Amino acid sequence: SYVLTQPPSVSVAPGDTATILCGENDLGNRSVHWYQQRPGQAPVLVIYYDTDRPSGIPERFSGSNFGDTATLTISRVEAGDEADYYCQVWDSESDHYVFGPGTKVTVL
Amino acid sequence: QVQLVQSGGEVKKPGASMKVSCKASGYTFTDYNIHWVRQAPGQGLEWMGWFNPDTGVTNCAQNFQGRVTMTRDTTIRTAYMDLRSLRSDDTAVYYCVRWGDAFDFWGQGTFVTVSS
Repeated sequence: SYVLTQPPSVSVAPGDTATILCGENDLGNRSVHWYQQRPGQAPVLVIYYDTDRPSGIPERFSGSNFGDTATLTISRVEAGDEADYYCQVWDSESDHYVFGPGTKVTVL
Repeated sequence: QVQLVQSGGEVKKPGASMKVSCKASGYTFTDYNIHWVRQAPGQGLEWMGWFNPDTGVTNCAQNFQGRVTMTRDTTIRTAYMDLRSLRSDDTAVYYCVRWGDAFDFWGQGTFVTVSS
């Protein structure tokens, strides 16, 4: 079955750029979606189909997906960006949906 | 606006069953699959399965096969998820989620505690 890897944590200073990675063999050939989950809240979609941003999500959030790694980039990080971030893909062979283990972003 | 409103939290004993409801509004209920995702305390997101409200077809993760049933009542635009033979490690927040462009709308979550 498909297994996504993510670093457990990323720390970033306010105003800097946070880079959150999601890895799996040949991930670039799949569509990756990203979710933000603030403490005590339900997840929110922040990037879909690798690079698209839902309405209401700031332009500071962007995504890419090449080779074995998908990347969520948060530019000009703010205190409110502190959250867990999950990548997610659809496994077409099993028609199952897979989440990465999540990355906790801490704003210093 | 799209909303998914879930039933309230529950406390269950090991071996019992639980049933969570998810009432949809703001879109055509039968046009989008509903998924169920859970999150144990302090843990990540775990996909449980999906349900097609139009056809009734479902598909669930191997971890839940034989223990989970997903149904709906289209007259009241509500999806249901039953989980049987509960264990302590089923203690979690359970979310219903719409699959549109990815998991685009989430319910508020239902916290189910399994404890003797």
